[in-house]
Amino acid sequence: EAQVTQNPRYLITVTGKKLTVTCSQNMNHEYMSWYRQDPGLGLRQIYYSMNVEVTDKGDVPEGYKVSRKEKRNFPLILESPSPNQTSLYFCASSFVAGDEQYFGPGTRLTVT
Amino acid sequence: AQSVTQLGSHVSVSEGALVLLRCNYSSSVPPYLFWYVQYPNQGLQLLLKYTTGATLVKGINGFEAEFKKSETSFHLTKPSAHMSDAAEYFCAVSFSYKLIFGSGTRLLVRP
Repeated sequence: EAQVTQNPRYLITVTGKKLTVTCSQNMNHEYMSWYRQDPGLGLRQIYYSMNVEVTDKGDVPEGYKVSRKEKRNFPLILESPSPNQTSLYFCASSFVAGDEQYFGPGTRLTVT
Repeated sequence: AQSVTQLGSHVSVSEGALVLLRCNYSSSVPPYLFWYVQYPNQGLQLLLKYTTGATLVKGINGFEAEFKKSETSFHLTKPSAHMSDAAEYFCAVSFSYKLIFGSGTRLLVRP
């Protein structure tokens, strides 16, 4: 089944404790992206990747890191999480940039 | 800066009534346009998309949208609402390498 998977689905952590949210797609998509969803703000792009080893900042990159060492994986790293990063995070992928994106189920992160 | 505006954070309709969700975008060139739906505790699912060609686009679940370049709009409609249409709907516009989302409209369907 074609899909985007994210892990974990739910995470509660404390300020400053490094964490990684994994994202994997099995559709051989070149383009992958991370978003955060906050009430009243819609989805905002954090980082995106055009292909392996090619990443770039989205609209809200501060406090986040990404890497794209393999085509199928695009992990999101929070080196020192803060409470303002409490949010719902979505990973998405598409064949190429600009095409329709397929979304993962989301990761709900709470930072206390 | 490019932007997407969805008028109305909440829209309430009766079952069987017309659904109209509004979306306007700012762009100097024709973009790719999308509508996504998000059901509670789920990810986003593509409803329909406009890339080029026919300006009236049909999607899943009886939804359709019309691209009007002169009005920079891409409103979503459905002739008859069903209870199962209750969800949050997002308009999105593709600019260069990014997908810009509107703030979303929550559709409530009254019995």
